[in-house]
Amino acid sequence: DVKVTQSSRYLVKRTGEKVFLECVQDMDHENMFWYRQDPGLGLRLIYFSYDVKMKEKGDIPEGYSVSREKKERFSLILESASTNQTSMYLCASSAGVQPQHFGDGTRLSIL
Amino acid sequence: AQRVTQPEKLLSVFKGAPVELKCNYSYSGSPELFWYVQYSRQRLQLLLRHISRESIKGFTADLNKGETSFHLKKPFAQEEDSAMYYCALTSGGYQKVTFGTGTKLQVIP
Repeated sequence: DVKVTQSSRYLVKRTGEKVFLECVQDMDHENMFWYRQDPGLGLRLIYFSYDVKMKEKGDIPEGYSVSREKKERFSLILESASTNQTSMYLCASSAGVQPQHFGDGTRLSIL
Repeated sequence: AQRVTQPEKLLSVFKGAPVELKCNYSYSGSPELFWYVQYSRQRLQLLLRHISRESIKGFTADLNKGETSFHLKKPFAQEEDSAMYYCALTSGGYQKVTFGTGTKLQVIP
């Protein structure tokens, strides 16, 4: 069974901090994704990566960056956290055109 | 641009009643459509995809290209069906997925 693991379930940070969210998958998937999930807005794609060191902007990349140094790990970085980045963050991975597998999510609060 | 619309934020039905969760999409090519489900305190997971043409947990969904719809249906709702349901569309080689805003299904005992 595919396992997508996000490093933290809950995280509280302060405005202006640099925040790292980590995601690891164990199925050698080439595609990895970061979404944020907000009530009434559904899932919105922040960034995705289709190979090591490759990244593509999603629909809402502003204020975020990503890193994919190894195939199994995809990191989301909030360069200078702001209160409007308080949200649930979901990581997902997939192989080719197969459906995505999601992690449990990280609920991030920016104070 | 691709877009997925789920017009209902909340759908409440009684146990045993039929369920239809609506999904409409806009995309100029040939999309692949999915339904994902998120039960309380669980991760988002795939429920079904249109190319499989299968029934999962009693749910079915038919792609109607003429109406650009992919509604999710179940003839008799069960309490355990209560969850958040997302319709999603994918296209392109890297499987960029566009999700709808979700519909919360509440099955009343």
